[in-house]
Amino acid sequence: NAGVTQTPKFQVLKTGQSMTLQCAQDMNHNSMYWYRQDPGMGLRLIYYSASEGTTDKGEVPNGYNVSRLNKREFSLRLESAAPSQTSVYFCASSQPGLAESYNEQFFGPGTRLTVL
Amino acid sequence: GNSVTQMEGPVTLSEEAFLTINCTYTATGYPSLFWYVQYPGEGLQLLLKATKADDKGSNKGFEATYRKETTSFHLEKGSVQVSDSAVYFCALRNMDTGRRALTFGSGTRLQVQP
Repeated sequence: NAGVTQTPKFQVLKTGQSMTLQCAQDMNHNSMYWYRQDPGMGLRLIYYSASEGTTDKGEVPNGYNVSRLNKREFSLRLESAAPSQTSVYFCASSQPGLAESYNEQFFGPGTRLTVL
Repeated sequence: GNSVTQMEGPVTLSEEAFLTINCTYTATGYPSLFWYVQYPGEGLQLLLKATKADDKGSNKGFEATYRKETTSFHLEKGSVQVSDSAVYFCALRNMDTGRRALTFGSGTRLQVQP
C-alpha cells in the first residue's frame, strides 16, 4: 500500500497562474482533507470531504477550490495564485467509524508551492 | 472555538537528555488529543494519542497523559536520541463540534546533538 500520495512534490508559479494539486489514497478511507503548513502556524485546514460527493470549507478556504473525484482522489485547485499561497500543502485521509474521535489521520508527503 | 498552544522551539538537547514539550488546549467537551511527528522532508506521522481524561498515550519511548484539570497533554521522553530530531505537533479533534478535522498547534522543533 502506498498510503496517501501527492503530486507534484514541488511547484513554482507566477502570480495569477492556476494549478491543481493531486491527492490519492489507497486505504479505502471515506474522509479526506487538505491542510496548509506555514512557519510558526502549524497546519490549518483548507477544505475537507467527509465522504465521496461532499466537500466543506475549513478555516482558510479563500482562493481555493476542491473536487472529490471519487473515493480515492481529492484535488485542490488554485484558480489565480497569489504570493500569500506560498506554503507546503498536505493531504490527509481517515476512516470514520464507531471510534471516530480516536481515528488516525494519514498524511501525504506534501507539496511545496512557491508563488512569485 | 478549539485551539492548541505549544511551547516555542527550537528545543536543543544532548543525546540521552530528558525531553518535555508542553502542550495545552482550549476546547468544549471532551476532545481527543494527539501528538504527530514530522521528520525532515516528510509528512506527519501519528506518534501517540489519548481520548479521555487520565489516558496515557505511549509509543517509541514517548509518553503523554491527558490532563483535563490542567487542559494539558505534555510530551515526554526519558532519553532522547539523535534520530528523534524532528518537528512535533500537538493536535486535538473535538467531535462535539461535529468536526472530523484536526486542530494543530504551531509545532516544536527538537534538535538532538550527539
